[in-house]
Amino acid sequence: QVQLQESGPGLVKPSQTLSLTCTVSGGSISSGGYYWSWIRQHPGKGLEWIGYIYYSGSTYYNPSLKSRVTISVDTSKNQFSLKLSSVTAADTAVYYCARGAYYYDYWGQGTLVTVSS
Amino acid sequence: DIQMTQSPSSLSASVGDRVTITCQASQDISNYLNWYQQKPGKAPKLLIYDASNLETGVPSRFSGSGSGTDFTFTISSLQPEDIATYYCQQYDNLPRTFGPGTKVDIK
Repeated sequence: QVQLQESGPGLVKPSQTLSLTCTVSGGSISSGGYYWSWIRQHPGKGLEWIGYIYYSGSTYYNPSLKSRVTISVDTSKNQFSLKLSSVTAADTAVYYCARGAYYYDYWGQGTLVTVSS
Repeated sequence: DIQMTQSPSSLSASVGDRVTITCQASQDISNYLNWYQQKPGKAPKLLIYDASNLETGVPSRFSGSGSGTDFTFTISSLQPEDIATYYCQQYDNLPRTFGPGTKVDIK
């Protein structure tokens, strides 16, 4: 059974960089065949797709966030990560990692990141 | 970006009722449409993929249909555990986009 777990600071100051890691267990990122995605949900709102990465390092980002987003993968640790720079209060959200590029069949539990001084 | 709309935004129904949610895409997305259930404080759960395929382990009272721009999600007999918000999501184009959600509760 594949499991995903997000980790990282729950509080980030405005203008700083949000950094989160998703650890995958029960399956290998480098076994191929799957993309690994980040999705966020603003408080009380809908879902926003941030981007995805393949184990090879190939990425695609949502154009609305592209200038500030970096997704990377560490196959040796079976992890992939999200960095979002120059954050503002509008980036306060629950951040989810998920498996998939077309549909998302496994999700992390989500982690709330609050942007505040 | 492909815009997804859902209706209604919320509904109340009785246990055992048939519940129908519609999702409309701003352009033709063939059958590249998924449905998710999200309960409060939890991650979304995939229910239907490719518009009409039931994810493994999902009860058969859930179903989906449609193609092109218009899609339907149905709960044939609403159960108390189905109280949740339901989202559609397209994967015809990047970026992937979700509908705004439909909140379902018990009357």
